[in-house]
Amino acid sequence: DAGVIQSPRHEVTEMGQEVTLRCKPISGHDYLFWYRQTMMRGLELLIYFNNNVPIDDSGMPEDRFSAKMPNASFSTLKIQPSEPRDSAVYFCASTGGIGYGYTFGSGTRLTVV
Amino acid sequence: AQSVTQLGSHVSVSEGALVLLRCNYSSSVPPYLFWYVQYPNQGLQLLLKYTTGATLVKGINGFEAEFKKSETSFHLTKPSAHMSDAAEYFCAVTVLSGSARQLTFGSGTQLTVLP
Repeated sequence: DAGVIQSPRHEVTEMGQEVTLRCKPISGHDYLFWYRQTMMRGLELLIYFNNNVPIDDSGMPEDRFSAKMPNASFSTLKIQPSEPRDSAVYFCASTGGIGYGYTFGSGTRLTVV
Repeated sequence: AQSVTQLGSHVSVSEGALVLLRCNYSSSVPPYLFWYVQYPNQGLQLLLKYTTGATLVKGINGFEAEFKKSETSFHLTKPSAHMSDAAEYFCAVTVLSGSARQLTFGSGTQLTVLP
C-alpha cells in the first residue's frame, strides 16, 4: 500500500489566493482526519470524516476553511482567501479503526506571503 | 474530554544511554494510548499503542511503553539510544466513547542524542 498520499508537498501562495490541499487515504480506511501543525499551537485537529461524512468540524478556524470528501478515496481542504497566519504544515491521516492508530501522510507545507 | 501532558519539551541523552520520555493522560473512561515519532519534514509514524490487555507494549525501533492506570502514565522508554532516534515524539490519547474517534496529541518532546 502506498500509504496516505498528500499533494502538493509544498505550496507558496500570496495572501488572498485560494489554496486547495489534497489527500488520498489508504484504501479501506473509513476515517479521515485533517490536522494542522504549527510551532505555536502544535497539532490541531481541524475536521474528521467517517464514511465520507463530516463528523466534527469544530476545529476549523473560520469560514475561510472548508473540507470535502466526495468519495472514499479523496478529500480536499480549501482555504479561501488565504492569510499569512494560515502558514503551517497540514496533515491528512486515515484509519480503519481507532484501535489501530492513524496513518499519516507526509504533509503539505503551506506558506502564505 | 481526554488530554495528555508530555513533561519536558526537550530531552537530551548520550548515545547508548536510556531514553525516557514522559506522558501523563487524563480520561474519565479507559483510554487508548499511542506514541508517534516525527522525523524532520516527515509525517507522524506510529511507534506503539496500548488498547487493552498487556500493559507493557513493545513497538518499533526498540521502544516500549508501560500503561500505569494508578499513575495515569504512559512513559516511553528505550534501553540504549541511537543517533537515529533523534526526532520529535508525540503521545496521544483517544477513547471509545460516543461517536468521537479523534486522537488528542500532546505538545511533543524533542529528543536529541549526543555522540
